[in-house]
Amino acid sequence: RKEVEQDPGPFNVPEGATVAFNCTYSNSASQSFFWYRQDCRKEPKLLMSVYSSGNEDGRFTAQLNRASQYISLLIRDSKLSDSATYLCVVNRAGSSYKLIFGSGTRLLVRP
Amino acid sequence: EAQVTQNPRYLITVTGKKLTVTCSQNMNHEYMSWYRQDPGLGLRQIYYSMNVEVTDKGDVPEGYKVSRKEKRNFPLILESPSPNQTSLYFCASSLWRDLGTDTQYFGPGTRLTVL
Repeated sequence: RKEVEQDPGPFNVPEGATVAFNCTYSNSASQSFFWYRQDCRKEPKLLMSVYSSGNEDGRFTAQLNRASQYISLLIRDSKLSDSATYLCVVNRAGSSYKLIFGSGTRLLVRP
Repeated sequence: EAQVTQNPRYLITVTGKKLTVTCSQNMNHEYMSWYRQDPGLGLRQIYYSMNVEVTDKGDVPEGYKVSRKEKRNFPLILESPSPNQTSLYFCASSLWRDLGTDTQYFGPGTRLTVL
């Protein structure tokens, strides 16, 4: 089983739609969780950290479910510019210096 | 402008010819790391460094070397490249002081092809 698993997609949605991605992680002792965004052939950029109580940044909401060991990302009112690959990132338990990246979920927002 | 730079951005080489990919950051970050990205596998960590002269292996260190003689630079060395090292490489840096909550800033990537 992979340490971090994501549905590769692609998720193909119309502008204005709400879309949600899940990501599961294997080690219950992991403590740090992030969502990164990666545009085609570009470097990943931090979208948001994921906190235990859940957090929101504009149209983006991140949730953590420790009992089921998954994190989620909800995007409301999708824009064309949201088209990208979204990477789930989790620290390896016992090491805050080692991050494990999921292989990403691709989102395509169509007009 | 705060940034991480990598050079070269693109490189085609042949098996066995030693090469170095440079990485430099201007944010005074202690933590630096190298990743490779391959289709379907995500980013995998090669080596990381927590400060000058402190480096450690990531998940896929075989065939690579690093050094951290200065805080701003973290070169990746391939002593004898092989075709299975063909990949997209990213360097990243971070303050990394609070259990990994700090942002990692990535360089623009180096696309390496080994023939």
